Amino acid sequence: KNEVEQSPQNLTAQEGEFITINCSYSVGISALHWLQQHPGGGIVSLFMLSSGKKKHGRLIATINIQEKHSSLHITASHPRDSAVYICAALPYNTDKLIFGTGTRLQVFP
Amino acid sequence: SQTIHQWPATLVQPVGSPLSLECTVEGTSNPNLYWYRQAAGRGLQLLFYSVGIGQISSEVPQNLSASRPQDRQFILSSKKLLLSDSGFYLCAWSRGGLHTEAFFGQGTRLTVV
Repeated sequence: KNEVEQSPQNLTAQEGEFITINCSYSVGISALHWLQQHPGGGIVSLFMLSSGKKKHGRLIATINIQEKHSSLHITASHPRDSAVYICAALPYNTDKLIFGTGTRLQVFP
Repeated sequence: SQTIHQWPATLVQPVGSPLSLECTVEGTSNPNLYWYRQAAGRGLQLLFYSVGIGQISSEVPQNLSASRPQDRQFILSSKKLLLSDSGFYLCAWSRGGLHTEAFFGQGTRLTVV
């Protein structure tokens, strides 16, 4: 079993829908990253969280440290949001991220 | 502002040939540097990380090596490529460890034929 699990693996949506991607982890962490990987492969860092909630434009990321769970929400989804979304957990006292296998999101017009 | 450059973007190499992928960071000093690999259908895996010039830690035994000849330069190499080395290679940096934000390069898609 992976230490970082994402769900769903694949997600399709109609433009305008509210999207939620979940990430659960089994180790104690000091931070969690949400990343976006475009079809060409390049990766963009969306959020780095250690507690609470962060918002950037239509993207919202939350983390519950006690429940070892984080969510990434996209409001008013758009076809340009289509990408693979990856969560990565940073265990305590280490500099080695543990990556989830990603959620492939496709938003149709 | 800080930027990270990784090249080449795509590479097709025959089995047994050498490899050199380069990553450079601009606009910061003494970054932590990382090489990751993403094999087809799998998540990202840390290959090497470096906290300073000449300091390399290897995470998994493999056919690859890494070097950091300058503060902001990180090179991934192989003397003889294997078919299993095919994949997507990403360079990343962070200021003070990954409890801070990480920045990723655009990646190199390597196909060994």
